[in-house]
Amino acid sequence: KQEVTQIPAALSVPEGENLVLNCSFTDSAIYNLQWFRQDPGKGLTSLLLIQSSQREQTSGRLNASLDKSSGRSTLYIAASQPGDSATYLCAVKGGGADGLTFGKGTHLIIQP
Amino acid sequence: SQTIHQWPATLVQPVGSPLSLECTVEGTSNPNLYWYRQAAGRGLQLLFYSVGIGQISSEVPQNLSASRPQDRQFILSSKKLLLSDSGFYLCAGSPGGGYTFGSGTRLTVV
Repeated sequence: KQEVTQIPAALSVPEGENLVLNCSFTDSAIYNLQWFRQDPGKGLTSLLLIQSSQREQTSGRLNASLDKSSGRSTLYIAASQPGDSATYLCAVKGGGADGLTFGKGTHLIIQP
Repeated sequence: SQTIHQWPATLVQPVGSPLSLECTVEGTSNPNLYWYRQAAGRGLQLLFYSVGIGQISSEVPQNLSASRPQDRQFILSSKKLLLSDSGFYLCAGSPGGGYTFGSGTRLTVV
């Protein structure tokens, strides 16, 4: 059974810092990996989708990498801003139709 | 692009009452559809998924059921709610590859 772990569980940094969020998964036979952002009481917003054949994806100040063989992904946030404060969720998809397996998230606070 | 609509946004229901949450999909046809629950302090748990009309797979035994009467409609139901059914319910769709989520329904059973 796939298990996804996110480290750290919580992170608080001053504005302007570059930061890295970590995600690991136990079964490397994934179809893709997706990073989401969740604001309090809201749904999930997709940030980046990395297919299993890809090594990284970039969108603005966000960069996600994937090392499938070692079961790891990182989300890099450059020049953090208070608006980046949210919970960041990592999720992996296996080969079937049975949905995503999620980590428990990293709760990020960017101090102004 | 795909959009997921969910309603209501919040719901307070007494124990033993019925439940019906609706999810509709816009912008794609024949997507895989999913119901997730997020309980306080816990991760997202997959409850049901559907690969087509009338096709429902359940991931965990529970007090809930799901139905897909139309290609773009996915319904989560209960005949009698329990306190433990409280949580944040999210519908998601995947036409292929990435997933899109709705804005969620906060259910409080009292």
